[in-house]
Amino acid sequence: GAVVSQHPSRVICKSGTSVKIECRSLDFQATTMFWYRQFPKQSLMLMATSNEGSKATYEQGVEKDKFLINHASLTLSTLTVTSAHPEDSSFYICSARDPRGVQGNQPQHFGDGTRLSIL
Amino acid sequence: GENVEQHPSTLSVQEGDSAVIKCTYSDSASNYFPWYKQELGKRPQLIIDIRSNVGEKKDQRIAVTLNKTAKHFSLHITETQPEDSAVYFCAGSVYNDMRFGAGTRLTVKP
Repeated sequence: GAVVSQHPSRVICKSGTSVKIECRSLDFQATTMFWYRQFPKQSLMLMATSNEGSKATYEQGVEKDKFLINHASLTLSTLTVTSAHPEDSSFYICSARDPRGVQGNQPQHFGDGTRLSIL
Repeated sequence: GENVEQHPSTLSVQEGDSAVIKCTYSDSASNYFPWYKQELGKRPQLIIDIRSNVGEKKDQRIAVTLNKTAKHFSLHITETQPEDSAVYFCAGSVYNDMRFGAGTRLTVKP
């Protein structure tokens, strides 16, 4: 089955630190990846769509200068939370669109998520 | 944009009973509807999906139905087992722009 790897799984750091999270598709090339934020007992909130070789598309209300996304290759997208503060503490999860599905009906496969705690 | 609503938010059933989770969507152009299962602290996993040209799809104890006219789709789990306990998310996709429902926390009591 499709595998998406996300690292690190957990980060605890001081306020003001920048944190980078990596998302890799291991057995398929993903031109499109997605970054979500999930609050406890809530749904997946789409933050941005990461497109290989071009700028990410951010959802309304998500600060692009705060959450930097880079998708430099067909198997890797990174999310950098810059100058993180306690309110940025959350569960961040990535997904990758599987291109092997029917065009327009392609499933997403998720990484294991990163629990970010800012002290 | 697409808006997906999911009900109920919590569902508790006895082992062996059936569970039904319902979702509605707003964009009639939506053409792909996956369902994900997320166990506590783990990644959402795709369990079944259905495309807009199909009315029903079944995979062992899991089935999904789609009513395009009414713009709603449902997940049916039969003969529930304790390991079915998890949060289930529906999603609707308009040409790969996927939006998720709020989730249903299913508890199967042994």
